[in-house]
Amino acid sequence: EAQVTQNPRYLITVTGKKLTVTCSQNMNHEYMSWYRQDPGLGLRQIYYSMNVEVTDKGDVPEGYKVSRKEKRNFPLILESPSPNQTSLYFCASSLLNGAEAFFGQGTRLTVV
Amino acid sequence: EDQVTQSPEALRLQEGESSSLNCSYTVSGLRGLFWYRQDPGKGPEFLFTLYSAGEEKEKERLKATLTKKESFLHITAPKPEDSATYLCAVSIGGGTSYGKLTFGQGTILTVHP
Repeated sequence: EAQVTQNPRYLITVTGKKLTVTCSQNMNHEYMSWYRQDPGLGLRQIYYSMNVEVTDKGDVPEGYKVSRKEKRNFPLILESPSPNQTSLYFCASSLLNGAEAFFGQGTRLTVV
Repeated sequence: EDQVTQSPEALRLQEGESSSLNCSYTVSGLRGLFWYRQDPGKGPEFLFTLYSAGEEKEKERLKATLTKKESFLHITAPKPEDSATYLCAVSIGGGTSYGKLTFGQGTILTVHP
């Protein structure tokens, strides 16, 4: 079954404690991306990757890091989380940018 | 600045009452416009891709159209199961922005039986 898997689904953490949200896809897609979704602000792109070892900033990259060492994995790293990073996060993958993207189930992150 | 604006923010329909959702965009170098559906607590689900003005795509009760400035998602004879948030997104071409994807804020559609 084609899918994008994110872990964890829910996470409560404290300010400043480094965390990683994993994302894995099984469709051999080249394009992967991370988004955050906040009430009233919609989905905003954090980072994207056109292929292995190629990553670039989206609209809201501050406070986040990513890496793409393998085609299937695209982890999102928060080196020093702050409360304003409390949000619902989605990972997505597709063959081409944006087209027919598959989204993960989401990770609800709370930073206290 | 590239912008994607969806209207209305919320739309309530009676079952069988057809209507349209709008997505207007001000971007340079549009590479593609995409429609997604999102159910509460879930990730968006892909519906359509449109690449050029005049293009139309259909799927069941949904039809998406594209002009040079906007896209419409037409819903014909909707059913309660069509209730969801509908999102449009655009990708733009060229330079460092090639891979960026910008979403509108969505239209919350509620279809009453």
